[in-house]
Order: sequence, then structure tokens, then C-alpha cells
Amino acid sequence: EAQVTQNPRYLITVTGKKLTVTCSQNMNHEYMSWYRQDPGLGLRQIYYSMNVEVTDKGDVPEGYKVSRKEKRNFPLILESPSPNQTSLYFCASSYSGNGYNEQFFGPGTRLTVL
Amino acid sequence: DQQVKQNSPSLSVQEGRISILNCDYTNSMFDYFLWYKKYPAEGPTFLISISSIKDKNEDGRFTVFLNKSAKHLSLHIVPSQPGDSAVYFCAASLPFSGNTPLVFGKGTRLSVIA
Repeated sequence: EAQVTQNPRYLITVTGKKLTVTCSQNMNHEYMSWYRQDPGLGLRQIYYSMNVEVTDKGDVPEGYKVSRKEKRNFPLILESPSPNQTSLYFCASSYSGNGYNEQFFGPGTRLTVL
Repeated sequence: DQQVKQNSPSLSVQEGRISILNCDYTNSMFDYFLWYKKYPAEGPTFLISISSIKDKNEDGRFTVFLNKSAKHLSLHIVPSQPGDSAVYFCAASLPFSGNTPLVFGKGTRLSVIA
């Protein structure tokens, strides 16, 4: 089954404790990205990756890091989480084969930073 | 500066009637538009899209209309069903070059009342 998976689905942590949210896709997509969803703000892109070892900032990259060492994986790293990073996070992937940007989303990770 | 706007945060419709969700955009360079549907505790799922070279695209009960001169698109659901109750996000994309993130609106919560 073609899918994007994220782990963990739920996480409660404390300020300053480094964490990683994993994302994996099995569709051989070149393009992956991370979004956060906040009430009244919709989905905002954090980082994206065009392919292995190619990443770039989205609209709200502050406080986040990413890496793309393998095509299927795109982890999101919070080196020192803060309460304003409490949010719902989505990983997404897409490919350019048809020239259009239809992104496939993972199920989401709800993060609470105390 | 919000490039994609969904001005109605919520909409209630009776079962069997038409649901019309609206979306406005400001960037005339957008050439591809998508609608995503999101249920609670799940990631957004792709619903329907339209290229800027078209003014209408239909898929079963769902039709998207694009008015480029007004920079406006709408999603029509006919007939509406209780299972359509979800948050709907409008998204837009520049010509896809691999690093073109989707720009999302804030979403409209549709409630279909039986």
C-alpha cells in the first residue's frame, strides 16, 4: 500500500529536550516536505526536500532542522523544543512525473511541548 | 500576506443539498489548484484539482470551478452527505519545478446535517 508514515503519532515533551519525528514514504517520490497546522493558520510549510541531500527552508523554518540522507526518509528534528512548537505536524511527499504537485500526506504527529 | 484565502471558517449544509466552498488567491502565477479534505486525527487527503488552462473539473459529486480573471475557485459538492463533514483546504501551486511548495488556505469546516 502506497503511504507516508510518521512516528510517533503523539508526543508530549518538555522544553529543551531534543526530539526527532520520523517520516517515511514508499512511493519513491523525490519531493518531501514538512508542514505544521495551527488553529486559524491552516497548513504552513516548515522545510522541503527536492531529493537526497537537497533541502531548503519553507515559510516557518525557525527552530527546526531536517535531513535527507535516503530518498524514502525525511526526519524533522527539534534541537531545543519550545512551547510555541506545540502543533500538529504533517509530512508529505510528491513526484514531478506528471508535472503537477499533488502531495500525499502522512497521518500527522501531535506534539505538545510543556 | 496570505496568498490563498478561504474566508468562510465554517459552513453548515443540509444533507442532499449543494455545498459550495470558496477560495480566493492573489498570485496570478499560480497555475494549479487543489482541494484537500481532512478528517480529525488524519492527514489531508487529495480530493480534486484543476489546472489553470481549464475552468471546470468534475469528479463524481465533486466539481471545482476556476475563474482566473477573478482569481477565485470554488468546490461544489452535490448532493452533500454526512460523510462529507470535514475540513476542506484549498491549495495553489506555482509551475512545478520540484521546489514549489503548495500554498494552503486556512480551511473551511463543512458540517453536513442529516
